[in-house]
Amino acid sequence: QKEVEQDPGPLSVPEGAIVSLNCTYSNSAFQYFMWYRQYSRKGPELLMYTYSSGNKEDGRFTAQVDKSSKYISLFIRDSQPSDSATYLCAMTGRTGGYQKVTFGTGTKLQVIP
Amino acid sequence: GAGVSQTPSNKVTEKGKYVELRCDPISGHTALYWYRQSLGQGPEFLIYFQGTGAADDSGLPNDRFFAVRPEGSVSTLKIQRTERGDSAVYLCASSPQGEDTDTQYFGPGTRLTVL
Repeated sequence: QKEVEQDPGPLSVPEGAIVSLNCTYSNSAFQYFMWYRQYSRKGPELLMYTYSSGNKEDGRFTAQVDKSSKYISLFIRDSQPSDSATYLCAMTGRTGGYQKVTFGTGTKLQVIP
Repeated sequence: GAGVSQTPSNKVTEKGKYVELRCDPISGHTALYWYRQSLGQGPEFLIYFQGTGAADDSGLPNDRFFAVRPEGSVSTLKIQRTERGDSAVYLCASSPQGEDTDTQYFGPGTRLTVL
């Protein structure tokens, strides 16, 4: 079993829809949770970062962490065609001062105009 | 400013050959990471450098893989006796100091194809 599970999709939604992306994890040592966006043939770029349970909002994006359930989510409101990309959840624990990040497999999102 | 750059962007080689992949991190970043991303998968950690030294190479799959960062800036990932299973996108990332809460900035990757 992988440490981080993520539904690979693909997920196809109409423009303006609310998108929900999710990951579960098994390692209780994970303390920092991230969402990356990766466009085709590009490197991942960091979207959201949180280290506590609860919600964190940034514009149209909301990251949610539930450590008790080992479950994290990313919500995208008013989705746009430019949001079409692969979304990777990622997490890391304390490793003595550096990030050893474990990624999910990524969910491919397509927003249809 | 310039981001992380990687060269070449694509590399096609034959089974058994040696390849070198280069990463130029963001200037001033002391931490550098290599990842491997296979088709349909997320990036997998390979190795972490803090300055010139490899602080964690636990992700290197076997002794055919080796990486260096001799002057604490540019890094080279070296793969000997390549196998078809090595085909993947190799991503490099850098961060200011490598701390838990740092942001890692990724390059565009080198797409390696082993025929």
